[in-house]
Amino acid sequence: TQLLEQSPQFLSIQEGENLTVYCNSSSVFSSLQWYRQEPGEGPVLLVTVVTGGEVKKLKRLTFQFGDARKDSSLHITAAQPGDTGLYLCAGFQGGKLIFGQGTELSVKP
Amino acid sequence: NAGVTQTPKFRVLKTGQSMTLLCAQDMNHEYMYWYRQDPGMGLRLIHYSVGEGTTAKGEVPDGYNVSRLKKQNFLLGLESAAPSQTSVYFCASSYGGLANEQFFGPGTRLTVL
Repeated sequence: TQLLEQSPQFLSIQEGENLTVYCNSSSVFSSLQWYRQEPGEGPVLLVTVVTGGEVKKLKRLTFQFGDARKDSSLHITAAQPGDTGLYLCAGFQGGKLIFGQGTELSVKP
Repeated sequence: NAGVTQTPKFRVLKTGQSMTLLCAQDMNHEYMYWYRQDPGMGLRLIHYSVGEGTTAKGEVPDGYNVSRLKKQNFLLGLESAAPSQTSVYFCASSYGGLANEQFFGPGTRLTVL
């Protein structure tokens, strides 16, 4: 059972464009993590959000946790080729960490 | 610090063969994990350990065994490999449990023919 749905699954954009990746569930999570994974590497944690409505910024990346703690979004402003990679959300619930299936982002120069 | 390292990086097995994947971490973390990553499936937890000498089943444990004889090492074994075990395997470690930041290794790409 896939408890966390990420959309879109694939995204190909030009450098300088803005984009938003969504992570949705019908379940409530205690916290939600976002990871980025580059080809041939393991995932690296970008941020953890724990409070409903919380917004965190990491340079050009803005993360938001939904008010009901069932969903989250990642917004990238003025994307750069270095942002290319697989973005994974992971929700912590009932002692388990559930990963979404990932969003493959390609930013072309 | 090397962080989390995995050996080997690539491996091809025939159905029925066995192998062991080695994970090592130098961050003195108590918790260690083995995941598999398949296209469109995200990361799925195979087994995990909350400390030296302990192991526990994750979401997809069938066909795999693990051991944590030393705090810094976590071994994943496949006793009789099957094509369904073709995947990329990641080891991770964390200071606390799953809600805490996990540090991942570079992965092992395994193909079972």
